[in-house]
Amino acid sequence: QKEVEQDPGPLSVPEGAIVSLNCTYSNSAFQYFMWYRQYSRKGPELLMYTYSSGNKEDGRFTAQVDKSSKYISLFIRDSQPSDSATYLCAMSANSGGGADGLTFGKGTHLIIQP
Amino acid sequence: NAGVTQTPKFQVLKTGQSMTLQCAQDMNHNSMYWYRQDPGMGLRLIYYSASEGTTDKGEVPNGYNVSRLNKREFSLRLESAAPSQTSVYFCASRLQGRYGYTFGSGTRLTVV
Repeated sequence: QKEVEQDPGPLSVPEGAIVSLNCTYSNSAFQYFMWYRQYSRKGPELLMYTYSSGNKEDGRFTAQVDKSSKYISLFIRDSQPSDSATYLCAMSANSGGGADGLTFGKGTHLIIQP
Repeated sequence: NAGVTQTPKFQVLKTGQSMTLQCAQDMNHNSMYWYRQDPGMGLRLIYYSASEGTTDKGEVPNGYNVSRLNKREFSLRLESAAPSQTSVYFCASRLQGRYGYTFGSGTRLTVV
């Protein structure tokens, strides 16, 4: 069993819809949680990060962490065609340093239909 | 523009050939990383360097070597390329105390 599970999609929704992207994990030591967005043929870019459990909001994006369920989510409100990309969850037990680096999900391919 | 620069962007190698992937960052970041990204496998850490002069193995280090030449540059070497090393390689860097990694745009390597 992989440490981080993420549905690869594709997930296709109409413009303006609320999008929910999720990851589950098995390592209870994970405390730092991140979401990266990756456009086609580009490198991932950091979108959101949270520490431990709780919610964090940034514009149209909300990240949620439920450590008791080992489940994290990214919500996108008022989705736009420019949000079409692959979304990668990532997590680590420390703040990102160390040889462990980050453990990534495989990514969910999101398509926003105009 | 500030960021992580990777060269080359594309490369085709024959089995057994060697090559070095170059990575440089101009953000004064301390840590640097090499990842490979394969369909259905996600991003996997190959090697990492916490600071100039130090390197550590990641999840999939076999067949690779690295050099942290100075604070800016971190290179990845394939001594004898194999078809299993066909992948997209990403270099990343991180400022100590910060969460996020800054990634380069990748090197697409095909080994035939």
